Amino acid sequence: AQTVTQSQPEMSVQEAETVTLSCTYDTSENNYYLFWYKQPPSRQMILVIRQEAYKQQNATENRFSVNFQKAAKSFSLKISDSQLGDTAMYFCAFIGGLVGTDKLIFGTGTRLQVFP
Amino acid sequence: KAGVTQTPRYLIKTRGQQVTLSCSPISGHRSVSWYQQTPGQGLQFLFEYFSETQRNKGNFPGRFSGRQFSNSRSEMNVSTLELGDSALYLCASSLFSFYYEQYFGPGTRLTVT
Repeated sequence: AQTVTQSQPEMSVQEAETVTLSCTYDTSENNYYLFWYKQPPSRQMILVIRQEAYKQQNATENRFSVNFQKAAKSFSLKISDSQLGDTAMYFCAFIGGLVGTDKLIFGTGTRLQVFP
Repeated sequence: KAGVTQTPRYLIKTRGQQVTLSCSPISGHRSVSWYQQTPGQGLQFLFEYFSETQRNKGNFPGRFSGRQFSNSRSEMNVSTLELGDSALYLCASSLFSFYYEQYFGPGTRLTVT
């Protein structure tokens, strides 16, 4: 079964510092997609970053970047120059498999608090 | 461009009743997915619809069903409600597929008493 594990339930970081959220997954698929979603308090979930497994280059979006280690099945998110608005729940997610059987599987989330 | 809207935002139902939740995707988006979010089980995928067809399905009992209309609007129905169905139900839309960027709605908070 495909699983996604986020081992850090809560993290905190000071404004302007860098923080890394970890995510590991388990799958026997070779082609799949990985995501980081952000859910701010009382606000809608938004996509932070997306990675296609066949691409070796790590995805980046402004201050957000990932360290994708396919062999290790690891997909960590690095937030540089943390801002107060980065305070949120962060979910790692995975999709893999054949169309019709695919499920978007989420990790349990990491609650990130950015302090001034 | 208007975002994903979900109605109603809050709902209280009694065990054994049924409920229908509605989701209007972003204009032009053809893929709509539904998720259940609870403190205990976290975020779980219910199903994905594309062009009025259910394309992918999660591991939920048959009491959970959905449909998509020709204008891409989607409804989710839960029959014979159980206390454990209390959750935030999120809808997300995407241009073609949940493999790509999804835009989430604010959710419907369902409480079953």
